[in-house]
Formats: sequence, structure tokens, C-alpha cells
Amino acid sequence: GEDVEQSLFLSVREGDSSVINCTYTDSSSTYLYWYKQEPGAGLQLLTYIFSNMDMKQDQRLTVLLNKKDKHLSLRIADTQTGDSAIYFCAESMTSYGQNFVFGPGTRLSVLP
Amino acid sequence: NAGVTQTPKFQVLKTGQSMTLQCAQDMNHNSMYWYRQDPGMGLRLIYYSASEGTTDKGEVPNGYNVSRLNKREFSLRLESAAPSQTSVYFCASSEERASRVYSNQPQHFGDGTRLSIL
Repeated sequence: GEDVEQSLFLSVREGDSSVINCTYTDSSSTYLYWYKQEPGAGLQLLTYIFSNMDMKQDQRLTVLLNKKDKHLSLRIADTQTGDSAIYFCAESMTSYGQNFVFGPGTRLSVLP
Repeated sequence: NAGVTQTPKFQVLKTGQSMTLQCAQDMNHNSMYWYRQDPGMGLRLIYYSASEGTTDKGEVPNGYNVSRLNKREFSLRLESAAPSQTSVYFCASSEERASRVYSNQPQHFGDGTRLSIL
């Protein structure tokens, strides 16, 4: 079965790095995504990584993928108060049927 | 560029009332989805439509019906609302289902409908 897990809460100080972790179970996943949800808003696609990549960097964001351990992480460098949000990990599968499975979301709080 | 538009943004219903949540996308996407979001549970898929004219059940379809009116619009109907359906509902769309290997098909989300059932 498909399952995506994340820790529910993370607090960091402004200026520090944040690392949000995610584990998934479906080895056939092709793309893995990170979405950001700000209060009262929908989910905004932040970044994604293809399953044959180990790392992807996009400005302050670094995505690391350990396919052997089915572990995905999102690192936010120089975390700002505007980064406070819920971050969702999602996996996309090739099988017909539900093609996206989301984790429960990690609420990131950035302290001044 | 509107993307995915949901109406209404907020709604309060009494138990037993019915209502329809509307969703429209202007990205010419084939696939559309309805999710509900509850605290600590992430997003759960209610129904999806892989293409115009088709709909399929997701993880939590009971108590809901959907209509894919045309390529742009996908509505969600609660026939007899229950307190357990109090939630935030999100509509999403993607170009097509991830049925091809190496096909990057992210989902694009609306801003949500906050629904309370008393």
C-alpha cells in the first residue's frame, strides 16, 4: 500500500536552516514533490525531484532523495518568518488509479 | 492567470442540508480532483476525474457525488450534510494522470472551501 509519513511539527530560529523529512513506501514512485500551504490558502508547488536524482537545488531550497531508504528531505537555508507554513511531501506513481499520495504535512514555525 | 478557482470560499450548513461546491480551471487540464483536508491527516482524495466524462472514487467517497460538467468544471455535491463532513475542501487539476513513466504531472490547487456543518 501507499503511505507517506512526516513529522507534524518543526520549530527553528530565523536565519537557521530547516530540514523537513518525509518517508514513502511505494518504490515505483517517479516524481516526489514538496508543496507549501500558507494559512488560509491552497497548496503551492515548491519543488520536485525525479526519482533517478539524488539532489536538486533551487535557490534556498535543497531536496535530497535516498531512494534505497525511501527518504526525502527538504532543506530551507536561512529560514525566514515568511517560510512559516505547512509543508507537504507527495509521491506520484505510475500505476493507474490515485496518482498522488500526500503526507500529513509538517507545520514549520519560525521563531524570531 | 486564475488557475484553479473554487466557490464558495466559506459555507455553514445545518445537518441534512445539501450543497454543491464548484471548481473551475483555465489551464486546459484533463484531470481534476477533490480532496478534503483535516488536521493531522493531510489530504484525502474524495473523487477524481481523469478526463472529461469520467469520474472515479478516491479514498473517502461516501456521502459525496461529483459531476465533470465539461473539461473546465468539476463539482462536488453533498446531498445530506453531516457534521463529519466539516472540513476544508480543495480542488486540484493536472495535465493528465501520471500513467506514463517519466511524466511530470504536478497538481495545481485552488484556495479551498471552508465548510462547517452544524
